[in-house]
Amino acid sequence: DQQVKQNSPSLSVQEGRISILNCDYTNSMFDYFLWYKKYPAEGPTFLISISSIKDKNEDGRFTVFLNKSAKHLSLHIVPSQPGDSAVYFCAASPLSGYSTLTFGKGTMLLVSP
Amino acid sequence: GAGVSQSPSNKVTEKGKDVELRCDPISGHTALYWYRQSLGQGLEFLIYFQGNSAPDKSGLPSDRFSAERTGGSVSTLTIQRTQQEDSAVYLCASSGAGGRYGYTFGSGTRLTVV
Repeated sequence: DQQVKQNSPSLSVQEGRISILNCDYTNSMFDYFLWYKKYPAEGPTFLISISSIKDKNEDGRFTVFLNKSAKHLSLHIVPSQPGDSAVYFCAASPLSGYSTLTFGKGTMLLVSP
Repeated sequence: GAGVSQSPSNKVTEKGKDVELRCDPISGHTALYWYRQSLGQGLEFLIYFQGNSAPDKSGLPSDRFSAERTGGSVSTLTIQRTQQEDSAVYLCASSGAGGRYGYTFGSGTRLTVV
């Protein structure tokens, strides 16, 4: 039973356009959410996070939106760049301290020039 | 070191053999995690060490899997009598106080069981 779902295995976007990656979760105890980016042959790297007390967090070209009632979050990348091409993992945790993260299966983003 | 270091980066082993995977976390990080990523799958939690507390082993898929963390630093994940379904990338991560910025992952060990 997947508690964190990324239903799109892949996404293709043109350079300069917006990339929207989606994530749904089922566990109502989750209240801290993170996005990780992974290049081939490297470990995932932290990108951006959001606590359930917020509905939006922005960091440069990256914005994460959280809709708690729908148990849905999304990552927006504007404008998309070819260097953003990677696998993006959504992760969730019941608290922001020491706790294990539950990850989705990832979405491979391809940004073409 | 500056990051999480894992060794070996690649390991090919015969079915039935035992393997040991090593993780050197970031100095000072009290929490250490093992995950694995099988082909087409997400990151699957295996085990979690936090300071001197008993580890959370709830993600270990079978009793062939075990891990230890010596001196609150280096960790070794051991897989006994490897099976082909154990083939995956095994990722180690560590985190410091609060975990607000999530984990810092190593580059992983790609294990292939033939």
